[in-house]
Formats: sequence, C-alpha cells, structure tokens
Amino acid sequence: GNSVTQMEGPVTLSEEAFLTINCTYTATGYPSLFWYVQYPGEGLQLLLKATKADDKGSNKGFEATYRKETTSFHLEKGSVQVSDSAVYFCALSRRGSQGNLIFGKGTKLSVKP
Amino acid sequence: GAGVSQSPRYKVAKRGQDVALRCDPISGHVSLFWYQQALGQGPEFLTYFQNEAQLDKSGLPSDRFFAERPEGSVSTLKIQRTQQEDSAVYLCASSLADAGGLLSEQFFGPGTRLTVL
Repeated sequence: GNSVTQMEGPVTLSEEAFLTINCTYTATGYPSLFWYVQYPGEGLQLLLKATKADDKGSNKGFEATYRKETTSFHLEKGSVQVSDSAVYFCALSRRGSQGNLIFGKGTKLSVKP
Repeated sequence: GAGVSQSPRYKVAKRGQDVALRCDPISGHVSLFWYQQALGQGPEFLTYFQNEAQLDKSGLPSDRFFAERPEGSVSTLKIQRTQQEDSAVYLCASSLADAGGLLSEQFFGPGTRLTVL
C-alpha cells in the first residue's frame, strides 16, 4: 500500500542551525510529494511540493528533492528561525487519483533563540 | 479572500450522542476532502466530494460516519452514536482540482476538535 514514514520528533534546534527532517515513502506508480506545515493554533499549510523525480520544491528557505531511487523527500533548511517552530508533515498523492493526501505522523520542530 | 472555515471549532459530546461538523470551502472550489487527525498522528483521509457527488468514502471508519455536500459547496460530516475512539480533530480541505483529476493545492480549514466523553 501507499505510506509515508518521517522521522519522529520532537526536534529541538538553536536559531541558525541546519535542519533536516527525513521522509521516505512507499507508493505504487509515481506519486506527487508534499511538505505541509502546521504553526501553533493554525491550520495545515502547503510548504512545498514536487511532482516528478529529481524535482526540487522550495519555499521560505526550505527545500526538498524528490529522490525516486531512494524513495525519499527530505526537508532541509540552512538556517532555522524561531518562527519556524511548527509541526511538519510529509505527504504523498497518487498520480491519477482524486488527490487525497497520505500523511506521515508529523515532526514537531522547536527552535530556541 | 476567505479561506476554508469549519464549525464548531470545539465540540464535546457524550458517548452515544450524534454530532454534525460543518465545512465551508473556498468559493468555487470543486473538490472537498475530509480527514481525521488523531492526537500525535498525521491526518487520515475519510471521504472526497467532487461538487455534490461523493466519489470516494473508502476512509470512513464505520457506517456511523456520514458526509454530504448537497449543493456542491458547504459540507457536513455527521457522526452517529459517537464513541470515545471518535475523539480527534476533523479537518476539511478544498481544492480547485477539476473533473479531469488534475492535482491542485488543497487548502485546509482550522479543524474541529471533537472530544467524546
């Protein structure tokens, strides 16, 4: 079946540290891949996406590259800020489906000043 | 413009009660999704509407769960005879995805937190 596995949190970093949140997936065919973010007290927001192998999604300093050979979509940011504190969800959507998302369990990130 | 709204934001129900959760999608969005998010977990798909048609209800956990979108805009998720295991955040999302199934961004509402005592 289709599934997403992401590293468990919580992750605590100091401001300006490098961030990596690992995400691997299992899917039939070639899914689209997403990172969603949930800031405290807010709804889920799309952070970035990639729709085919070797695509790189980027937004707000975050990046993730669709790696078909390793079935991965790791999230990275070179220098985190306190305002990046949130829960991050990796997700996939099967190509040709109606678009419903399959999410990982989420990784809580806390950035300390 | 206005995003996806959900009401109520919080609902406490006694076991065995029926509840109704409302979702107002972004105007003009064709597709509407419901997800269930248990504490500490990622959202899980419940059901999908394209306009007023419920095209996929494979994620509904039991026949106590029922969803409708009669006019292709507002949707209601109803849970009958609530159980403690129904306690979760219920998320609604809408997107512009058309009948051809082309993917487009899903915009999520803030969710309704249901607690069943």
